Amino acid sequence: AQKITQTQPGMFVQEKEAVTLDCTYDTSDQSYGLFWYKQPSSGEMIFLIYQGSYDEQNATEGRYSLNFQKARKSANLVISASQLGDSAMYFCAMRSILTGGGNKLTFGTGTQLKVEL
Amino acid sequence: DTGVSQDPRHKITKRGQNVTFRCDPISEHNRLYWYRQTLGQGPEFLTYFQNEAQLEKSRLLSDRFSAERPKGSFSTLEIQRTEQGDSAMYLCASSLTTDSPLHFGNGTRLTVT
Repeated sequence: AQKITQTQPGMFVQEKEAVTLDCTYDTSDQSYGLFWYKQPSSGEMIFLIYQGSYDEQNATEGRYSLNFQKARKSANLVISASQLGDSAMYFCAMRSILTGGGNKLTFGTGTQLKVEL
Repeated sequence: DTGVSQDPRHKITKRGQNVTFRCDPISEHNRLYWYRQTLGQGPEFLTYFQNEAQLEKSRLLSDRFSAERPKGSFSTLEIQRTEQGDSAMYLCASSLTTDSPLHFGNGTRLTVT
């Protein structure tokens, strides 16, 4: 069974500062993938970044980067130069492959980020 | 790319009534998923379709729940004899390949009174 742990229920950051959202995972799979999604108050889940377990480089997408430490089973999201629009719930998720090649995502409980002026 | 569309956005129903939600995935995506999200939790997997075939169902999907994707395009999720515990956000997602991320819709928020 796969498990995602997000230990920070809420985080505050000043505008323009960087923030790290923690995520640890547990899996017995040799090959796996890790995702981060953003969920604003509107409810939509917005894909941010993906890291494959065999990727040698840490993933980056604009202001988002994933600090992947395989031995520690952690996949922390770093948001640089925070903006007010970054205020949202952030979810870390791990995928397992389903019959026919689908992706089942197991989500953590999320971290509510609040960006302040 | 018009995104994943879900209808309705909100549904309030009385306990015991049946409800049906609709999901229109991104047009070229053949993989479609339903998730349920309760307050303070991350989404939980319910079921998965590849084209019109329902290939996986979570044990969370009780006998009162049924999902269809009749022509491999839009999908419906029906809940019969709703219970207060069914109150949640129901999210639909689609993807193109195994390696591509899931794209989620805005969800349908169900309230059972």
